[in-house]
Amino acid sequence: ETGVTQTPRHLVMGMTNKKSLKCEQHLGHNAMYWYKQSAKKPLELMFVYNFKEQTENNSVPSRFSPECPNSSHLFLHLHTLQPEDSALYLCASSQERLGSGANVLTFGAGSRLTVL
Amino acid sequence: GESVGLHLPTLSVQEGDNSIINCAYSNSASDYFIWYKQESGKGPQFIIDIRSNMDKRQGQRVTVLLNKTVKHLSLQIAATQPGDSAVYFCAESLHGSSNTGKLIFGQGTTLQVKP
Repeated sequence: ETGVTQTPRHLVMGMTNKKSLKCEQHLGHNAMYWYKQSAKKPLELMFVYNFKEQTENNSVPSRFSPECPNSSHLFLHLHTLQPEDSALYLCASSQERLGSGANVLTFGAGSRLTVL
Repeated sequence: GESVGLHLPTLSVQEGDNSIINCAYSNSASDYFIWYKQESGKGPQFIIDIRSNMDKRQGQRVTVLLNKTVKHLSLQIAATQPGDSAVYFCAESLHGSSNTGKLIFGQGTTLQVKP
């Protein structure tokens, strides 16, 4: 309902699996983000894409690999994850305007990932 | 270093009462602040924001107050309703940040509304 759709909503995977999370935004925004939300911890920024170009990688392990084929779609490819990677992964988008400073993020409902 | 924190992890209020959720920040150079609400099973949803050139901003049933002297931010919810039950996050943006992704989020306060 927010205009940012994430699939799947729930994912259970083993440590040797390869899976992907998908995010699609219907808001015409030019920036997209991946956040990690773990219990009792603040939201952690993982990756930022502006106009399909990655502008931020917040020291994320290489077992997480983002892909942004266009301004409306964002993927997070997962491989050889660890149990501590279990969390809610949130996608967000925003409309960035040069010189305007921070703008409102619109979040999706998240993908709940469990790594066994 | 910078930190954004909420004073209480859980706040319980009676339906119809006013709620006040507090947030402290440590970086006096932050120039943008925002409140999000996250209901169970959903992503964070924008409530209200405020820039550092203001000290108060009102929305529908919500008011954000900014006290730059003591680096304090609060969210006031009038006539709290059961639908207000959620986790509330404050976030700050550092001065000079060119990208919204530089928002620093607090840990969140859980608001419980008793009928």
